[in-house]
Amino acid sequence: GDSVTQMEGPVTLSEEAFLTINCTYTATGYPSLFWYVQYPGEGLQLLLKATKADDKGSNKGFEATYRKETTSFHLEKGSVQVSDSAVYFCALSPDTGGFKTIFGAGTRLFVKA
Amino acid sequence: DVKVTQSSRYLVKRTGEKVFLECVQDMDHENMFWYRQDPGLGLRLIYFSYDVKMKEKGDIPEGYSVSREKKERFSLILESASTNQTSMYLCASSPRAAGLDGYTFGSGTRLTVV
Repeated sequence: GDSVTQMEGPVTLSEEAFLTINCTYTATGYPSLFWYVQYPGEGLQLLLKATKADDKGSNKGFEATYRKETTSFHLEKGSVQVSDSAVYFCALSPDTGGFKTIFGAGTRLFVKA
Repeated sequence: DVKVTQSSRYLVKRTGEKVFLECVQDMDHENMFWYRQDPGLGLRLIYFSYDVKMKEKGDIPEGYSVSREKKERFSLILESASTNQTSMYLCASSPRAAGLDGYTFGSGTRLTVV
């Protein structure tokens, strides 16, 4: 079945460091791919998305490119801030017309000042 | 600003009580979902609904039921609360084509059963 695998956390970085959070997926066809962010004590928020191969989603300085050949959707940011400390979830929505989204386990990011 | 509103941020209930968690969305979304989130277990789908009065079991429906009498409201019911239902509960909604727009989540309800 469809699945999403994220790198395990926590990831600890200093402010202004470069961030990569790896995400790979297993799915048939061309699913849509998403990154969600969850700040402490809050629900998840959609951060960015890509709906077809080679699309790049971007928002708030974060980027991720839909790589069909490597079935990956890695999240990157060039210079993280303390306020980016949160849990990041990679997710996919199958292209089979189903209703459900499949979430990865989440990766916790700590950014130190 | 469009949103999903969950009625309580924190809730403490006693074992055996019947518990209602309410969720309202103002985006005219067809699909609504209830998840629970536990450390180390990620998000687990309890129930979802793709239309008024329609419901489908998710991955962990045991001990829960749902109600969707109106398009904007999706209620999660714990028939007889138990301590292993202590968790963060997240409601989400999406348009019919969830694959294009993703989900909008509420802020969550942290339920403690004592």
